[in-house]
Amino acid sequence: EPEVTQTPSHQVTQMGQEVILRCVPISNHLYFYWYRQILGQKVEFLVSFYNNEISEKSEIFDDQFSVERPDGSNFTLKIRSTKLEDSAMYFCASSDAQVLGLFFGSGTQLSVL
Amino acid sequence: GEDVEQSLFLSVREGDSSVINCTYTDSSSTYLYWYKQEPGAGLQLLTYIFSNMDMKQDQRLTVLLNKKDKHLSLRIADTQTGDSAIYFCAEERTGFQKLVFGTGTRLLVSP
Repeated sequence: EPEVTQTPSHQVTQMGQEVILRCVPISNHLYFYWYRQILGQKVEFLVSFYNNEISEKSEIFDDQFSVERPDGSNFTLKIRSTKLEDSAMYFCASSDAQVLGLFFGSGTQLSVL
Repeated sequence: GEDVEQSLFLSVREGDSSVINCTYTDSSSTYLYWYKQEPGAGLQLLTYIFSNMDMKQDQRLTVLLNKKDKHLSLRIADTQTGDSAIYFCAEERTGFQKLVFGTGTRLLVSP
């Protein structure tokens, strides 16, 4: 069964460093998303991406965040200068028709020290 | 508002039915979803219901939607130990490409 894969599963970084979280969406999907879950809190929407551009983003997704689809298979989330409060589980997701049938990866646990 | 609320914890015995409840606030929601999260895994889509339906059944799962009260429930029949997980409800609002998730309900199934 096709699945969304995310790497790495765990990432530890120092405050102020840049991190890139990587995702390989399901191959025929056209819509891509990033969500995050701070420990003990809700899963929160960050950004949606379609046709090589951001289609919607949340208040959390400020100038420190960016997304890119550098080639036909990868979808990345970059955090330019990490803060302690960026520590969370980051989930990538993809779908072939808007949010209906959103498929999530198993997440990258980001720890900012 | 965007609050989607769930009770935090539910404990049942194997073989019993489980009912997980969710309340949402946005009446313009088009689809409502139930996701399952097992330890160390991502969010797995279990089922969804369109906002003009009031019930959907899928094998052991029954979703009930009360649009007037903005109340959604997930019933799992004959609950098994493998059903132990966190269950999230989520709503999709018209015109928005995002899901708003609830707080999650941790279901513990004991033998």
